[in-house]
Amino acid sequence: GQQLNQSPQSMFIQEGEDVSMNCTSSSIFNTWLWYKQDPGEGPVLLIALYKAGELTSNGRLTAQFGTTRKDSFLNISASIPSDVGIYFCAGRTPLVFGKGTRLSVIA
Amino acid sequence: NAGVTQTPKFQVLKTGQSMTLQCAQDMNHEYMSWYRQDPGMGLRLIHYSVGAGITDQGEVPNGYNVSRSTTEDFPLRLLSAAPSQTSVYFCASSYLSSYNEQFFGPGTRLTVL
Repeated sequence: GQQLNQSPQSMFIQEGEDVSMNCTSSSIFNTWLWYKQDPGEGPVLLIALYKAGELTSNGRLTAQFGTTRKDSFLNISASIPSDVGIYFCAGRTPLVFGKGTRLSVIA
Repeated sequence: NAGVTQTPKFQVLKTGQSMTLQCAQDMNHEYMSWYRQDPGMGLRLIHYSVGAGITDQGEVPNGYNVSRSTTEDFPLRLLSAAPSQTSVYFCASSYLSSYNEQFFGPGTRLTVL
């Protein structure tokens, strides 16, 4: 089946730093989604992208739908301790999830 | 709204036992799905449903059954539990028109001994 390559697998950053993560696929997707999962909870949708080249922000989060439709990027600016968690990308169609980026923030 | 609820939160089974994981949503969502999450594997789709009476297989359906008799409920049945089914199970739901934007339940952590 289709697979998404999400990188990095994990990140350790200092509070206040910016964070970048990405997702790539060998297949074209029509939609890219970014989720965050807090420990012991289900994933929560952060940003949805529907058009190639689209750049969308949600507070300190910014995500982009790559122009090739085979990749997407998520940036977090000025990280804070509550940003800790696992970030998943997902692409459609069909809906496929990446393996996640585990973010740790050091105060 | 309670959103998506799952019970139980934790469960331990012996190999060969059967059980049903419950999932309910009160948002009148047509689309419901079950995922399993294993370390380093992300989320993998087990089964999904686009409405009452309609179910279909996802990426990893073997060993699991589902039914959708009502819009609200989408139980997942393990017929004969195996250690390979040790995982965290998430139920999710959404409107069909925006099924990308799924709302996830809190998960059920299942251990099969």
